[in-house]
Amino acid sequence: QLQLQESGPGLVKPSETLSLTCTVSGGSISSSSYYWGWIRQPPGKGLEWIGSIYYSGSTYYNPSLKSRVTISVDTSKNQFSLKLSSVTAADTAVYYCASLQIAAAGKYFQHWGQGTLVTVSS
Amino acid sequence: AIQLTQSPSSLSASVGDRVTITCRASQGISSALAWYQQKPGKAPKLLIYDASSLESGVPSRFSGSGSGTDFTLTISSLQPEDFATYYCQQFNSYPTFGGGTKVEIK
Repeated sequence: QLQLQESGPGLVKPSETLSLTCTVSGGSISSSSYYWGWIRQPPGKGLEWIGSIYYSGSTYYNPSLKSRVTISVDTSKNQFSLKLSSVTAADTAVYYCASLQIAAAGKYFQHWGQGTLVTVSS
Repeated sequence: AIQLTQSPSSLSASVGDRVTITCRASQGISSALAWYQQKPGKAPKLLIYDASSLESGVPSRFSGSGSGTDFTLTISSLQPEDFATYYCQQFNSYPTFGGGTKVEIK
Protein backbone atom coordinates (compact mmCIF):
# COMPACT_ATOMS: atom_id res chain seq x y z
CA GLN A 1 0.00 0.00 0.00
CA LEU A 2 1.48 3.27 -1.12
CA GLN A 3 1.88 5.99 1.48
CA LEU A 4 2.64 9.62 0.69
CA GLN A 5 3.78 12.39 3.01
CA GLU A 6 4.07 16.09 2.25
CA SER A 7 6.74 18.24 3.87
CA GLY A 8 7.75 21.88 3.67
CA PRO A 9 7.21 25.30 5.22
CA GLY A 10 3.75 26.13 6.48
CA LEU A 11 4.21 29.87 6.02
CA VAL A 12 5.45 31.63 2.89
CA LYS A 13 5.75 35.38 2.29
CA PRO A 14 3.97 37.04 -0.63
CA SER A 15 6.01 37.11 -3.86
CA GLU A 16 8.23 34.28 -2.65
CA THR A 17 8.35 30.66 -3.84
CA LEU A 18 6.38 27.88 -2.17
CA SER A 19 8.35 24.62 -2.03
CA LEU A 20 6.96 21.25 -0.98
CA THR A 21 8.25 17.70 -1.17
CA CYS A 22 6.28 14.46 -1.24
CA THR A 23 7.97 11.32 0.03
CA VAL A 24 6.60 8.03 -1.27
CA SER A 25 6.85 4.80 0.74
CA GLY A 26 5.51 1.31 0.19
CA GLY A 27 6.37 1.40 -3.49
CA SER A 28 8.74 2.83 -6.07
CA ILE A 29 8.25 6.26 -7.60
CA SER A 30 9.81 4.71 -10.72
CA SER A 31 6.87 2.37 -11.17
CA SER A 32 5.32 2.55 -14.63
CA SER A 33 1.90 2.04 -12.98
CA TYR A 34 1.58 5.54 -11.60
CA TYR A 35 1.87 9.21 -12.29
CA TRP A 36 2.36 11.57 -9.34
CA GLY A 37 0.48 14.77 -8.71
CA TRP A 38 -0.20 17.83 -6.60
CA ILE A 39 -3.68 19.09 -5.73
CA ARG A 40 -4.64 22.00 -3.51
CA GLN A 41 -7.73 23.06 -1.60
CA PRO A 42 -8.21 26.61 -0.29
CA PRO A 43 -9.88 26.71 3.13
CA GLY A 44 -13.57 25.89 2.81
CA LYS A 45 -13.37 25.49 -0.97
CA GLY A 46 -13.03 22.78 -3.59
CA LEU A 47 -10.14 20.86 -5.12
CA GLU A 48 -7.77 22.17 -7.81
CA TRP A 49 -5.23 20.07 -9.70
CA ILE A 50 -1.84 21.79 -9.88
CA GLY A 51 0.19 19.38 -11.98
CA SER A 52 1.51 15.87 -12.47
CA ILE A 53 4.78 14.13 -13.28
CA TYR A 54 5.86 10.70 -14.51
CA TYR A 55 9.01 9.05 -13.20
CA SER A 56 10.66 9.76 -16.55
CA GLY A 57 10.33 13.47 -15.81
CA SER A 58 7.44 14.25 -18.17
CA THR A 59 5.33 16.98 -16.62
CA TYR A 60 1.76 18.23 -17.06
CA TYR A 61 0.54 21.48 -15.53
CA ASN A 62 -2.78 23.20 -14.95
CA PRO A 63 -2.88 25.91 -17.63
CA SER A 64 -4.03 28.46 -15.06
CA LEU A 65 -0.87 27.91 -12.98
CA LYS A 66 1.61 26.78 -15.61
CA SER A 67 3.67 29.96 -15.66
CA ARG A 68 4.42 29.65 -11.92
CA VAL A 69 4.68 25.88 -11.36
CA THR A 70 7.59 23.47 -11.51
CA ILE A 71 7.26 19.81 -10.53
CA SER A 72 10.30 17.56 -10.39
CA VAL A 73 11.09 13.99 -9.37
CA ASP A 74 14.05 12.50 -7.50
CA THR A 75 13.98 8.77 -8.05
CA SER A 76 17.00 8.19 -5.79
CA LYS A 77 15.05 9.58 -2.82
CA ASN A 78 11.61 8.30 -3.92
CA GLN A 79 10.36 11.87 -3.80
CA PHE A 80 8.73 14.43 -6.02
CA SER A 81 8.55 18.15 -5.43
CA LEU A 82 6.46 21.24 -6.14
CA LYS A 83 7.63 24.81 -6.57
CA LEU A 84 5.09 27.61 -6.99
CA SER A 85 6.58 31.03 -7.57
CA SER A 86 5.31 34.57 -6.94
CA VAL A 87 2.74 33.44 -4.39
CA THR A 88 -0.11 35.61 -3.16
CA ALA A 89 -2.77 35.17 -0.47
CA ALA A 90 -4.86 33.35 -3.10
CA ASP A 91 -2.34 30.50 -2.96
CA THR A 92 -3.15 29.81 0.70
CA ALA A 93 -4.45 26.24 0.74
CA VAL A 94 -4.01 22.71 1.93
CA TYR A 95 -1.62 21.10 -0.54
CA TYR A 96 -1.94 17.38 -1.20
CA CYS A 97 0.35 15.02 -3.07
CA ALA A 98 -1.17 11.92 -4.62
CA SER A 99 -0.52 8.97 -6.88
CA LEU A 100 -2.46 8.77 -10.13
CA GLN A 101 -3.75 5.34 -11.03
CA ILE A 102 -3.68 4.61 -14.76
CA ALA A 103 -7.07 3.04 -15.48
CA ALA A 104 -8.81 2.03 -18.70
CA ALA A 105 -10.48 5.36 -19.41
CA GLY A 106 -8.44 7.88 -17.44
CA LYS A 107 -6.14 8.63 -14.55
CA TYR A 108 -7.38 9.09 -11.00
CA PHE A 109 -5.92 10.10 -7.65
CA GLN A 110 -5.73 6.78 -5.81
CA HIS A 111 -3.44 7.36 -2.82
CA TRP A 112 -3.21 10.72 -1.07
CA GLY A 113 -0.93 12.32 1.47
CA GLN A 114 -2.54 13.78 4.58
CA GLY A 115 -2.15 17.30 3.23
CA THR A 116 -0.20 20.28 4.50
CA LEU A 117 -1.58 23.77 5.06
CA VAL A 118 0.48 26.50 3.46
CA THR A 119 -0.37 30.06 4.42
CA VAL A 120 0.85 33.01 2.37
CA SER A 121 1.29 35.98 4.66
CA SER A 122 3.89 38.56 5.55
CA ALA B 1 -11.08 23.31 -19.82
CA ILE B 2 -13.82 20.76 -19.20
CA GLN B 3 -16.09 21.98 -16.41
CA LEU B 4 -17.96 19.64 -14.08
CA THR B 5 -21.22 20.77 -12.47
CA GLN B 6 -22.43 18.80 -9.48
CA SER B 7 -25.96 18.84 -8.14
CA PRO B 8 -27.19 19.34 -5.59
CA SER B 9 -24.50 21.36 -3.82
CA SER B 10 -25.81 20.01 -0.54
CA LEU B 11 -28.49 17.63 0.68
CA SER B 12 -29.93 16.39 3.93
CA ALA B 13 -30.69 12.71 4.32
CA SER B 14 -31.35 10.10 6.96
CA VAL B 15 -29.54 6.86 7.70
CA GLY B 16 -30.90 4.21 5.37
CA ASP B 17 -31.89 6.64 2.61
CA ARG B 18 -30.95 6.14 -1.02
CA VAL B 19 -28.89 9.11 -2.14
CA THR B 20 -28.09 10.17 -5.71
CA ILE B 21 -25.59 12.87 -6.72
CA THR B 22 -25.19 14.00 -10.31
CA CYS B 23 -22.20 15.38 -12.20
CA ARG B 24 -22.53 16.96 -15.63
CA ALA B 25 -19.52 17.61 -17.88
CA SER B 26 -19.37 20.60 -20.22
CA GLN B 27 -18.37 18.25 -23.05
CA GLY B 28 -18.23 14.51 -23.57
CA ILE B 29 -15.60 12.66 -21.53
CA SER B 30 -16.51 9.05 -22.36
CA SER B 31 -16.15 7.17 -19.05
CA ALA B 32 -13.16 9.11 -17.67
CA LEU B 33 -14.81 10.10 -14.41
CA ALA B 34 -14.12 9.38 -10.74
CA TRP B 35 -15.90 10.04 -7.47
CA TYR B 36 -14.22 10.93 -4.15
CA GLN B 37 -15.42 11.20 -0.57
CA GLN B 38 -13.88 13.80 1.73
CA LYS B 39 -14.44 14.13 5.46
CA PRO B 40 -13.48 17.29 7.39
CA GLY B 41 -9.73 17.65 7.88
CA LYS B 42 -8.99 14.56 5.79
CA ALA B 43 -7.72 13.90 2.29
CA PRO B 44 -10.23 12.81 -0.35
CA LYS B 45 -10.74 9.07 -0.80
CA LEU B 46 -11.25 7.46 -4.20
CA LEU B 47 -14.60 5.62 -4.38
CA ILE B 48 -15.36 5.05 -8.08
CA TYR B 49 -13.18 5.30 -11.19
CA ASP B 50 -13.87 4.93 -14.91
CA ALA B 51 -17.43 6.06 -14.08
CA SER B 52 -18.60 2.74 -12.63
CA SER B 53 -15.64 0.73 -11.30
CA LEU B 54 -15.60 0.33 -7.51
CA GLU B 55 -12.22 1.03 -5.91
CA SER B 56 -10.88 -1.86 -3.84
CA GLY B 57 -12.13 -1.81 -0.25
CA VAL B 58 -15.04 0.56 -0.91
CA PRO B 59 -18.43 -0.76 0.29
CA SER B 60 -20.75 -2.05 -2.39
CA ARG B 61 -23.50 0.40 -1.36
CA PHE B 62 -21.58 2.93 -3.47
CA SER B 63 -22.12 2.74 -7.22
CA GLY B 64 -21.48 4.95 -10.22
CA SER B 65 -23.04 5.17 -13.65
CA GLY B 66 -23.07 7.27 -16.78
CA SER B 67 -20.97 8.13 -19.78
CA GLY B 68 -20.50 11.07 -22.10
CA THR B 69 -21.67 14.13 -20.16
CA ASP B 70 -24.00 12.84 -17.43
CA PHE B 71 -22.90 10.80 -14.44
CA THR B 72 -24.37 9.72 -11.11
CA LEU B 73 -23.07 8.49 -7.78
CA THR B 74 -25.57 6.46 -5.78
CA ILE B 75 -25.39 5.41 -2.15
CA SER B 76 -27.98 2.66 -1.83
CA SER B 77 -28.46 2.86 1.95
CA LEU B 78 -26.79 5.81 3.67
CA GLN B 79 -24.69 4.90 6.69
CA PRO B 80 -23.53 7.23 9.52
CA GLU B 81 -19.95 7.18 8.17
CA ASP B 82 -21.14 8.37 4.74
CA PHE B 83 -21.89 11.93 5.86
CA ALA B 84 -19.20 13.81 3.98
CA THR B 85 -18.55 15.91 0.88
CA TYR B 86 -18.41 14.15 -2.47
CA TYR B 87 -16.49 15.33 -5.54
CA CYS B 88 -16.45 14.15 -9.13
CA GLN B 89 -13.27 14.43 -11.22
CA GLN B 90 -12.67 14.02 -14.94
CA PHE B 91 -9.53 13.14 -16.86
CA ASN B 92 -10.36 13.67 -20.50
CA SER B 93 -7.51 16.13 -21.06
CA TYR B 94 -6.25 17.33 -17.70
CA PRO B 95 -7.95 16.75 -14.36
CA THR B 96 -10.72 19.00 -13.12
CA PHE B 97 -13.05 18.55 -10.16
CA GLY B 98 -16.69 19.32 -9.59
CA GLY B 99 -17.68 21.83 -6.94
CA GLY B 100 -18.68 19.19 -4.40
CA THR B 101 -21.87 17.92 -2.77
CA LYS B 102 -22.15 18.02 1.00
CA VAL B 103 -24.26 15.21 2.46
CA GLU B 104 -25.61 16.19 5.86
CA ILE B 105 -27.70 14.48 8.49
CA LYS B 106 -31.41 15.25 8.38
